[in-house]
Amino acid sequence: NAGVTQTPKFQVLKTGQSMTLQCAQDMNHEYMSWYRQDPGMGLRLIHYSVGAGITDQGEVPNGYNVSRSTTEDFPLRLLSAAPSQTSVYFCASSYFRTAGYTFGSGTRLTVV
Amino acid sequence: QQQVKQSPQSLIVQKGGISIINCAYENTAFDYFPWYQQFPGKGPALLIAIRPDVSEKKEGRFTISFNKSAKQFSLHIMDSQPGDSATYFCAASRGNAGNMLTFGGGTRLMVKP
Repeated sequence: NAGVTQTPKFQVLKTGQSMTLQCAQDMNHEYMSWYRQDPGMGLRLIHYSVGAGITDQGEVPNGYNVSRSTTEDFPLRLLSAAPSQTSVYFCASSYFRTAGYTFGSGTRLTVV
Repeated sequence: QQQVKQSPQSLIVQKGGISIINCAYENTAFDYFPWYQQFPGKGPALLIAIRPDVSEKKEGRFTISFNKSAKQFSLHIMDSQPGDSATYFCAASRGNAGNMLTFGGGTRLMVKP
């Protein structure tokens, strides 16, 4: 099993550009989430999904959009990139709430 | 508002020593408390987790202690090894919030040989 696959691994954007961070899992997990990791702040939840067609906002949703059309995929869209969105982004999935999340290897995004 | 506070931010321990990381939470609705371990350049990986109906859980050299009345929980790493050098995150979630995890700020552990 590949687990949780994130692409790209690195990305540099100019302010105002848009892009989509891809996330795919092959474990048939219902729960999927996007987190951003910033130094000293741990991981903060951006958006999450409890199943195909169901998404909700997390702690820091502004400037990001998600959709969940299939169980496997959960892309994160940056609508108009800002320097404050420079971060490492992690996608994660879980079979059920107390099973623990499986994290991808992350996307390091720099907005200049 | 940080709902899960973690300390210390960094920790240096000699090989063979005990590493202790503490977390405190505010929301009494939290009912699942996992710890994650993260190596540089990698995503976090689940290390051990506890529910509030038990006061302690041990898996190998890793032990979670849980104090429900104080709203605190801690990770103890016994016989710490250089390979344990990583960043550790505590987290919490509650049943009526999907599968949202609220993370602490992280502790960077260095185990000196």
